[in-house]
Amino acid sequence: AQTVTQSQPEMSVQEAETVTLSCTYDTSESDYYLFWYKQPPSRQMILVIRQEAYKQQNATENRFSVNFQKAAKSFSLKISDSQLGDAAMYFCAYRSVRNTPLVFGKGTRLSVIA
Amino acid sequence: DSGVTQTPKHLITATGQRVTLRCSPRSGDLSVYWYQQSLDQGLQFLIQYYNGEERAKGNILERFSAQQFPDLHSELNLSSLELGDSALYFCASSVDETSSKGQYFGPGTRLTVT
Repeated sequence: AQTVTQSQPEMSVQEAETVTLSCTYDTSESDYYLFWYKQPPSRQMILVIRQEAYKQQNATENRFSVNFQKAAKSFSLKISDSQLGDAAMYFCAYRSVRNTPLVFGKGTRLSVIA
Repeated sequence: DSGVTQTPKHLITATGQRVTLRCSPRSGDLSVYWYQQSLDQGLQFLIQYYNGEERAKGNILERFSAQQFPDLHSELNLSSLELGDSALYFCASSVDETSSKGQYFGPGTRLTVT
């Protein structure tokens, strides 16, 4: 079974600075999808960014980008120019191409300091 | 707004009771997923439906059941409720089973069992 590990339960960043959240996963599959979800205090789960494993190019969405290292099974999220609204729980998730449920990590709580 | 709606937002009930949570997927999405988020277990997949058919089951208790109706809305039924069933229940939808675009989550139903 696939597992997702987020080794940083909590992190903090100064406003306007850059922060990187770590995620590693374990799988024997070669094709899969990876996601980062944001859960602000409202508890809504918001899709931030996604990456297809067959793509070598790292995904980017505005201030959010990923560093996808397939061989190392690593999928980190970089947030640039951090804003107060970025404060939230961030979940890394894996999905097999064949099986559709998401497998989530335990999450990283990000605080943004003004 | 993800386009996925869930009702009710909050539910408080007593042990031994039965409740029904409702979900309407985004327009055009055929696949519906149910997830449970509790403090000690994190986000866990419960069950998936695709166009009215059950497709995958996760760690769903026998006391729980779900269905997807012809109009594609879904209901999650929880019976013989226990204190440990208190959690945030999310519904998510995706256009189909193999989409790489991710799953879009509703705002969740917070269930409190007293």
